[in-house]
Amino acid sequence: DSGVTQTPKHLITATGQRVTLRCSPRSGDLSVYWYQQSLDQGLQFLIQYYNGEERAKGNILERFSAQQFPDLHSELNLSSLELGDSALYFCASSVGGTGSETQYFGPGTRLLVL
Amino acid sequence: DQQVKQNSPSLSVQEGRISILNCDYTNSMFDYFLWYKKYPAEGPTFLISISSIKDKNEDGRFTVFLNKSAKHLSLHIVPSQPGDSAVYFCAASAAYGGSQGNLIFGKGTKLSVKP
Repeated sequence: DSGVTQTPKHLITATGQRVTLRCSPRSGDLSVYWYQQSLDQGLQFLIQYYNGEERAKGNILERFSAQQFPDLHSELNLSSLELGDSALYFCASSVGGTGSETQYFGPGTRLLVL
Repeated sequence: DQQVKQNSPSLSVQEGRISILNCDYTNSMFDYFLWYKKYPAEGPTFLISISSIKDKNEDGRFTVFLNKSAKHLSLHIVPSQPGDSAVYFCAASAAYGGSQGNLIFGKGTKLSVKP
């Protein structure tokens, strides 16, 4: 158990809908990262938050957004969903978030868009 | 542009023997490297890491070697056990250069350890 929790574990929705994925980091970690794993693309970095502030953006679509709350949990919002958004979404956390440190991953949310 | 490459999609070894998983990278700004193990439908589990100032790091049965001049790292598992069967991901990060903190992953190597 990494100490990172994610809910829900599975999500099935329809195209055009909006969903919210939730992540709670390990105790003491200030940074939260979101990654997407699809069959053909592997694990891709989406976005990073550090202590409530956005720190870095990766290959995140404009239809996707995230935030980190004062209690350090984070939510990833996916809107206008398309079939191609079906994937595993992982959250990870680390102490500082400046690099050269280990990220610990949650169990993931499997999203299926029908 | 794949900055972290794992060229072997799969590897099969006998129980008790050594497993060697390889990883190459192209970005010279990478200064921290990690190996994760992943089972289906689970999140990646951290195994071992190495900083670019070192060339070797050991943790029990797992050893990571870093060759900076060749931009190559490898994970050795000795002895291999059937429970080691999983997909292994190599990842790298850079403290500077615009992508600080973010992990760049290879596409993984599926290791099968046969009893």
